[in-house]
Amino acid sequence: QSALTQPPSASGSPGQSVTISCTGTSSDVGGYIYVSWYQQHPGKPPKLMMYEVTKRPSGVPDRFSGSKTGNTASLTISGLQAEDEAHYYCSSYAGYNNPYMFGGGTKLTVL
Amino acid sequence: QITLKESGPTLVKPTQTLTLTCTFSEFSLTTSGVGVGWIRQPPGKALEWLALIYWDDDKRYSPSLKSRLTVAKDTSKNQVILTMTNMDPVDTATYFCAHKPPGVSIFGVVTSNYYFDYWGPGTLVTVPS
Repeated sequence: QSALTQPPSASGSPGQSVTISCTGTSSDVGGYIYVSWYQQHPGKPPKLMMYEVTKRPSGVPDRFSGSKTGNTASLTISGLQAEDEAHYYCSSYAGYNNPYMFGGGTKLTVL
Repeated sequence: QITLKESGPTLVKPTQTLTLTCTFSEFSLTTSGVGVGWIRQPPGKALEWLALIYWDDDKRYSPSLKSRLTVAKDTSKNQVILTMTNMDPVDTATYFCAHKPPGVSIFGVVTSNYYFDYWGPGTLVTVPS
């Protein structure tokens, strides 16, 4: 199975909003609520930012929001801040034998 | 606070078997619904899920690597061990272990979930060419 498709890069200025997409198929993103997003700064492990499409873990600012339409999930970051500059990875359940399919990652640059 | 930490060799020769240990604290792998997963990341590349072991010893493996992977747990030591056979230079990566939380009970029905909420710092394993 191929990885989920994410744009390689995204950018925005401080205070702006940016949306990162994650496109799969009806067998993964489109078929389940189990889409999650991770933020990764250089040299650090991933940090969970969103799970089950729209749920934010405790401690994650409400500037981060998630959504899904059809086979595409999205992570929106509003009020961009410098510390949001990082790589972002989506992940989706893709069935019993492949419960964690990751996207190719998006490098977010805060201009 | 849940913590996890990976340990093992930093250098593995081609064709050798890699054995990594994940030592965790502040949760138990005997708790219903809990799991520990392994994920790797080649330098400059994306995350790739490898394996997951559940509290009940059920196991899942990446379809593309299933023939080379084995995951096991030692609940007395709070450890999960991953072995990967026939290592190749393309297996050079940072290997992470991560905690899968238990599901939520809603009206007596425990929900499923498929995300990792705590990660270890990772360990870089190099396979020279």
